[in-house]
Amino acid sequence: AQTVTQSQPEMSVQEAETVTLSCTYDTSESDYYLFWYKQPPSRQMILVIRQEAYKQQNATENRFSVNFQKAAKSFSLKISDSQLGDAAMYFCAYRSARGAQKLVFGQGTRLTINP
Amino acid sequence: DAGVIQSPRHEVTEMGQEVTLRCKPISGHNSLFWYRQTMMRGLELLIYFNNNVPIDDSGMPEDRFSAKMPNASFSTLKIQPSEPRDSAVYFCASSLRRRGSGELFFGEGSRLTVL
Repeated sequence: AQTVTQSQPEMSVQEAETVTLSCTYDTSESDYYLFWYKQPPSRQMILVIRQEAYKQQNATENRFSVNFQKAAKSFSLKISDSQLGDAAMYFCAYRSARGAQKLVFGQGTRLTINP
Repeated sequence: DAGVIQSPRHEVTEMGQEVTLRCKPISGHNSLFWYRQTMMRGLELLIYFNNNVPIDDSGMPEDRFSAKMPNASFSTLKIQPSEPRDSAVYFCASSLRRRGSGELFFGEGSRLTVL
């Protein structure tokens, strides 16, 4: 079974600075997808960014980018120019490209933005 | 477009009572997922459906939990009888099952408190 590990329960960053959230995963599959979801206090789960394992290029979405290291099974999220609205729980998630469509989530990292 | 709609948003009940949580997925989506979120266990998949058919219910805690999807636009998660340890936020999510990232779209969750 696939597992996702986020080793940082909490992180904090000064507003306008850059922060990186870590995620590692374990799988025997070669074709899969990885996601970062954001959960603000409103508790709505919002997709931040996605990465297809077959793509070598790291995904970017405005101030959010990932560092995808397939061999190391690592998938970190970098937030540049942090804003107060970025404060939330961030979840890393894995989905197989074949068979089961379910998302397997990590434990989450609580990100605090200091003004 | 309307997102995933869950009801109720909050439910407080007493131990032993029946609880029914409801979900309306995004129109056109053919996969539906029920997740439970607690501080101790994080986000756990309870069950998911493809084309209204339950595919994997291995995450359903015990016989007190049941889920149905009578049609493509409606699903219920029922707990009978409820217990205090069932207190959690229950999320419904839907996706379009196809080749591609097939991201999950989440509802706002139903917060259940069992006294």
